[in-house]
Amino acid sequence: EPEVTQTPSHQVTQMGQEVILRCVPISNHLYFYWYRQILGQKVEFLVSFYNNEISEKSEIFDDQFSVERPDGSNFTLKIRSTKLEDSAMYFCGVRGAYNEQFFGPGTRLTVL
Amino acid sequence: AQTVTQSQPEMSVQEAETVTLSCTYDTSESDYYLFWYKQPPSRQMILVIRQEAYKQQNATENRFSVNFQKAAKSFSLKISDSQLGDAAMYFCAYYVDDKIIFGKGTRLHILP
Repeated sequence: EPEVTQTPSHQVTQMGQEVILRCVPISNHLYFYWYRQILGQKVEFLVSFYNNEISEKSEIFDDQFSVERPDGSNFTLKIRSTKLEDSAMYFCGVRGAYNEQFFGPGTRLTVL
Repeated sequence: AQTVTQSQPEMSVQEAETVTLSCTYDTSESDYYLFWYKQPPSRQMILVIRQEAYKQQNATENRFSVNFQKAAKSFSLKISDSQLGDAAMYFCAYYVDDKIIFGKGTRLHILP
């Protein structure tokens, strides 16, 4: 059973457009994460989120990125003005009991 | 800075044989968590096994086991009785400061 689902599975957008990626936890989770993986490269941490606040963020997570959990359920990642280099697989994660993270199936973002 | 190094970009193993994937990491922490994740062609990130640094006993999960050498900062993954479904990218990962740091991965091929 997956811990989290993500929508959409694939998003195609034009450079400069805003995109919102969604993460829906299956059961109650408190800690949320976003990672990205550019094709052929390693998985990189973007941001962690707990109690409606960002707890950690990486250098990648600049002012173009934002996260929120508006309805206490969906956890979203917004990219305000997409760039070509934002094309990647984006994974949402939730924390397990031993600090492991369980990831959703990912959203493949293609910026044209 | 914490880093995770996987020195084998690709490996191949005959079906039913045993293979070991290497991983080293760098940290100044004494208590931390280590993981191996599997990424099949679907690109889903699947947790294979975890190890708590304070535990001396090596973790095992069915055909998967680790060799954790804390002093050497080494964390290798052994896959016994390799199966075709084990073909995937394997990422070694380290948990610190509420985020996971991944290595660059080792692509494992299973030869029938």
